[in-house]
Amino acid sequence: NAGVTQTPKFQVLKTGQSMTLQCAQDMNHEYMSWYRQDPGMGLRLIHYSVGAGITDQGEVPNGYNVSRSTTEDFPLRLLSAAPSQTSVYFCASSYGRKPYEQYFGPGTRLTVT
Amino acid sequence: KQEVTQIPAALSVPEGENLVLNCSFTDSAIYNLQWFRQDPGKGLTSLLLIQSSQREQTSGRLNASLDKSSGRSTLYIAASQPGDSATYLCAVMYSGGGADGLTFGKGTHLIIQP
Repeated sequence: NAGVTQTPKFQVLKTGQSMTLQCAQDMNHEYMSWYRQDPGMGLRLIHYSVGAGITDQGEVPNGYNVSRSTTEDFPLRLLSAAPSQTSVYFCASSYGRKPYEQYFGPGTRLTVT
Repeated sequence: KQEVTQIPAALSVPEGENLVLNCSFTDSAIYNLQWFRQDPGKGLTSLLLIQSSQREQTSGRLNASLDKSSGRSTLYIAASQPGDSATYLCAVMYSGGGADGLTFGKGTHLIIQP
């Protein structure tokens, strides 16, 4: 199993540009989520999904959209990038909701200029 | 709102020492607590998962304890090695409603001196 994969590894955007961060898992996990990691802040939950077709907001959802059309994929869209979205983004998955171990991808480092 | 605090923020010890990393959380309504390791520029590697009904979990030289009533967890690393150098993150899954996700501490940056 590849586990949780994320692409791209690095990305530089200009303010106002849009892009999609890709996340995929091959473990047949129902639950997937996105976090951002900023210096001195710890990881914070952006959006999550408890199954295909179901998504919900986390702690810091503004400026981001998600959808979950398949069990395997959970892309994160930045509609109009802002410098405040410069961060490292991590995708995670687990077998189900809440009591299960979370597995993280390698991250995408995004810089918005 | 659930908050997670990790102490110390940084720690540097000689190789071979046993050490303890601390994690505290403000609300005892949790499903579980998970310890992760993060190497520079890398993702998070899960080390240990403790369910709320458990008191401790062990994996090799690592032992994690959980005292839900006092809102504390410790990660004990025995016979530390230079390869243990990394940032260690503690995270809890809150059971009190709201978003389904982990609440993280800011981490302990650990350096093991050869």
